Amino acid sequence: AQSVTQLDSQVPVFEEAPVELRCNYSSSVSVYLFWYVQYPNQGLQLLLKYLSGSTLVESINGFEAEFNKSQTSFHLRKPSVHISDTAEYFCAVSDLWGYQKVTFGTGTKLQVIP
Amino acid sequence: DVKVTQSSRYLVKRTGEKVFLECVQDMDHENMFWYRQDPGLGLRLIYFSYDVKMKEKGDIPEGYSVSREKKERFSLILESASTNQTSMYLCASSLFSEAEGNEQFFGPGTRLTVL
Repeated sequence: AQSVTQLDSQVPVFEEAPVELRCNYSSSVSVYLFWYVQYPNQGLQLLLKYLSGSTLVESINGFEAEFNKSQTSFHLRKPSVHISDTAEYFCAVSDLWGYQKVTFGTGTKLQVIP
Repeated sequence: DVKVTQSSRYLVKRTGEKVFLECVQDMDHENMFWYRQDPGLGLRLIYFSYDVKMKEKGDIPEGYSVSREKKERFSLILESASTNQTSMYLCASSLFSEAEGNEQFFGPGTRLTVL
């Protein structure tokens, strides 16, 4: 069975400061890893994903995440946050072989303070 | 772009009523999912379907059933609604490929209140 742990339920950060949202997973097989974002009153949308290859993946709005196999982590980072980044962020994992099912973490609410 | 639509954004029902939540996707995706989202608990999988008329239980199927008669439509049914089923319900679809993985596309959600 696979699982995802997001250690922080809420992260307040000042505008233009850096941020890291932590995610650890457990799985007995190789995995796909995802970060989804949910803006207020909206559904989830994909932010970035790791399938294979380079362990550092980037989104179009400046977020990046690094797959660390030895530490089973996939932390999300941004060097300078904007007010519009205020949202809830979900880390998710999927086994390569159980490809239909995705397991989500409990979410981290990022609050950007002006 | 993939579009996943859900029949209602907000729904209020009474205890014991039968409730239908409808989800439609327009990208010919094989896989469809129903989740419920509760504060502090994240998304929990209720049921999923990988083909027409096929369904699999997720992590919390009790009190729910599903129907998939057509590829584009996946319905969640609460046979007898209870107050502990008050929640946000999210539908998603996906198409697995080695190049894209199994990225899920979500609908806007239905906030169900059971009185």
